[in-house]
Amino acid sequence: EPEVTQTPSHQVTQMGQEVILRCVPISNHLYFYWYRQILGQKVEFLVSFYNNEISEKSEIFDDQFSVERPDGSNFTLKIRSTKLEDSAMYFCASKVEGGQPQHFGDGTRLSIL
Amino acid sequence: GQNIDQPTEMTATEGAIVQINCTYQTSGFNGLFWYQQHAGEAPTFLSYNVLDGLEEKGRFSSFLSRSKGYSYLLLKELQMKDSASYLCAVRGRNNDMRFGAGTRLTVKP
Repeated sequence: EPEVTQTPSHQVTQMGQEVILRCVPISNHLYFYWYRQILGQKVEFLVSFYNNEISEKSEIFDDQFSVERPDGSNFTLKIRSTKLEDSAMYFCASKVEGGQPQHFGDGTRLSIL
Repeated sequence: GQNIDQPTEMTATEGAIVQINCTYQTSGFNGLFWYQQHAGEAPTFLSYNVLDGLEEKGRFSSFLSRSKGYSYLLLKELQMKDSASYLCAVRGRNNDMRFGAGTRLTVKP
């Protein structure tokens, strides 16, 4: 069964550094998402992306965050200048069309030191 | 804004039936989803309701009442491997999806 794949599985970065989290959505999917889950807390929506542009973003997704789909397969989340509170699990998800469920990748655990 | 409420924790016995409730208040509604999440893993899709009524899928069923802003997930014939967090999520009109805090279910022998 096709899967959403995320790399790396664990990223350790110094505070203030830039980090790029990578995702390869399922190949025929058209809608892409990033979520964040701080340890022990709920899954939080960050951003949705469709037709090469952001369709919705949450209050968490401030100017430090950006997303890109640089080619036909990758979907990336960039955090420009990381803060300690950015430490979390970041999940990428995709779906084929509007009414269908989202499928999640295994996540990237981001640790900011 | 959006508000999604579900119980924090529940405990049930292997072989039993458990119902996990979810109430929501949203500015737009475009479907309700239930996901299962084992500790340290990604959420996995269980069920989806967009119209009122019951959706059945093997041991799992989900119910929706849009007028009451209410859903439940019913798990039958509980197994030890069902111990996990169960996440209620609502999709808004702009295609964003907001999650509740999750219900941690512990299945005991």
